[in-house]
Amino acid sequence: ETGVTQTPRHLVMGMTNKKSLKCEQHLGHNAMYWYKQSAKKPLELMFVYNFKEQTENNSVPSRFSPECPNSSHLFLHLHTLQPEDSALYLCASSIIAGGSGEQFFGPGTRLTVL
Amino acid sequence: GQNIDQPTEMTATEGAIVQINCTYQTSGFNGLFWYQQHAGEAPTFLSYNVLDGLEEKGRFSSFLSRSKGYSYLLLKELQMKDSASYLCAPMDSNYQLIWGAGTKLIIKP
Repeated sequence: ETGVTQTPRHLVMGMTNKKSLKCEQHLGHNAMYWYKQSAKKPLELMFVYNFKEQTENNSVPSRFSPECPNSSHLFLHLHTLQPEDSALYLCASSIIAGGSGEQFFGPGTRLTVL
Repeated sequence: GQNIDQPTEMTATEGAIVQINCTYQTSGFNGLFWYQQHAGEAPTFLSYNVLDGLEEKGRFSSFLSRSKGYSYLLLKELQMKDSASYLCAPMDSNYQLIWGAGTKLIIKP
């Protein structure tokens, strides 16, 4: 596979469920990002990892828990979500964080919280 | 604060030219990106400007004026497949992208 992949593509969960989103990049990049995209709103940066270390947490509620075991994989663990958390969750990667290189995005996970 | 302003929606005709404007206010500046996003798909990179002037890349061109906090994306010879949202994203002093809400471009035959 090439580029940035995300699984699952669609997820429906109840407010008491626990689920995880997975992202994998095959570009040899060292930075990975989680974004939230809600309808007609700007992309919201959630977390940034650079060389496996978290460098950014944009005041994200603790019900979202990221994990970056290596530079190629990124997870977002979800628990006790709220209906307003329903959105498209996008993963992206770049050569490094804190540089001017472009970010490459995965196709996203469409999350619906009931 | 940091702010991006671009039109919510634009309509153009196949074969024509359209210009999508973006004005921005950021804490510092390290260049500006334009991304294209088709409905239900990932954003894809179109252009990056860090110096003033026009960058041409095939049918697409991007312009930047740092003193005015202004950029535009110019699309020529419009095709139906250009129907998408176009996202303006300047990079601030911390190299963080500040995203606009995007301009939805509708191409009519």
